[in-house]
Amino acid sequence: QSALTQPRSVSGSPGQSVTISCTGTSSDVGGYNYVSWYQQHPGKAPKLIISDVVKRPSGVPDRFSGSKSGNTASLTISGLQAEDEADYYCCSYVGSYTKVFGGGTKLTVL
Amino acid sequence: QVQLQESGPGLVKPSETLSLTCAVSGYSISSGYYWAWIRQPPGKVLEWIGSMYHGGTTYYNPSLKSRVTTSVDTSKNQFSLKLSSVTAADTAVYYCARRTSWCAFDIWGQGTMVTVSS
Repeated sequence: QSALTQPRSVSGSPGQSVTISCTGTSSDVGGYNYVSWYQQHPGKAPKLIISDVVKRPSGVPDRFSGSKSGNTASLTISGLQAEDEADYYCCSYVGSYTKVFGGGTKLTVL
Repeated sequence: QVQLQESGPGLVKPSETLSLTCAVSGYSISSGYYWAWIRQPPGKVLEWIGSMYHGGTTYYNPSLKSRVTTSVDTSKNQFSLKLSSVTAADTAVYYCARRTSWCAFDIWGQGTMVTVSS
């Protein structure tokens, strides 16, 4: 199973909004509403920030939001802050009890 | 507060079996949820290894299935991973995590680095 396609890097200035895409196929992202997003700071474990496409776990700021259109899921971070600088990974269920992660996107806050 | 902690050898020889344990505190494994292993080679992407339920149900990544064995010990409130016939490609940080939905892992251990080398 191939990793989902994410841009290698995105950037934005404090206060701006950025969107990170996660592109798959109709067999994974497009076929199920089971896409999650993770934030990972260097040397740290990933942190769940969005589950099931749009659900935000308790404690995650509402600046983080998720959506999906067709075979592409998106993570939008509004009101960008310095601490948002991290790597972001998407994950999708691909059927047969299997899941796959995206290639990761490095977010730089300018 | 639910916490997970991985433990095991940091160095494994090629062709041998990698063995890790994840101790869970603040929650009883037998109360529910699936529990998972995920790894991340240095500088590379996350890879789901497998998930297991305390009742014995397990799901493995098809690419690793032939080499993976997992188990749950409810008496010790921990779960384990065994990966056989390891090679340098299995060098990675190994994480244990709690799964709340098909691709949602809400609580993670800090991770443990395992190097495969002679």
